[in-house]
Amino acid sequence: GQNIDQPTEMTATEGAIVQINCTYQTSGFNGLFWYQQHAGEAPTFLSYNVLDGLEEKGRFSSFLSRSKGYSYLLLKELQMKDSASYLCAVSDSNYQLIWGAGTKLIIKP
Amino acid sequence: SQTIHQWPATLVQPVGSPLSLECTVEGTSNPNLYWYRQAAGRGLQLLFYSVGIGQISSEVPQNLSASRPQDRQFILSSKKLLLSDSGFYLCAWSVLGTSGADEQFFGPGTRLTVL
Repeated sequence: GQNIDQPTEMTATEGAIVQINCTYQTSGFNGLFWYQQHAGEAPTFLSYNVLDGLEEKGRFSSFLSRSKGYSYLLLKELQMKDSASYLCAVSDSNYQLIWGAGTKLIIKP
Repeated sequence: SQTIHQWPATLVQPVGSPLSLECTVEGTSNPNLYWYRQAAGRGLQLLFYSVGIGQISSEVPQNLSASRPQDRQFILSSKKLLLSDSGFYLCAWSVLGTSGADEQFFGPGTRLTVL
């Protein structure tokens, strides 16, 4: 079966760095997405990785290792507004997104 | 630019009543369209997706149905709501790009409470 695993909840301090991991097992692979979802709102796109390595976009970076079925989202210089759920999703062989349950990130001052 | 509209934003319905949620997309043509449901504190569950007018694929058995009467209109319906239908319903669209990325863009969502 297809499976996406990520931690349920993480806590970090304002100004610090946090890494949210995602492991996956899917039928085929056409890229991995990270989305941010604030409570009560729709998810918004953060990043896309299809090749191994690190993609940097401002304070956010995303890493992919296809051989290990592993990705992480790295958030630097954490701000209170970064408190949200972070969803990992993999595009499978049919270009359908398989979604993880999301990681709730709590930022403390 | 592309925009996606969903309505209503919130809805409270009694058990056994019908449901109709509408989603429209502007600024793009022939998009892939999706309906998701998200239970409180949970991930996204794909309900239906459509690659064209009249073409609907169902991912899970349920008492819900979907229709795509026009290229940029996607409707989620039910004849009789169940308590378990409560949740946050999200419509999304995507267009397969040259890179193969099928990034999805979400509407604002409808929060449905069935009592």
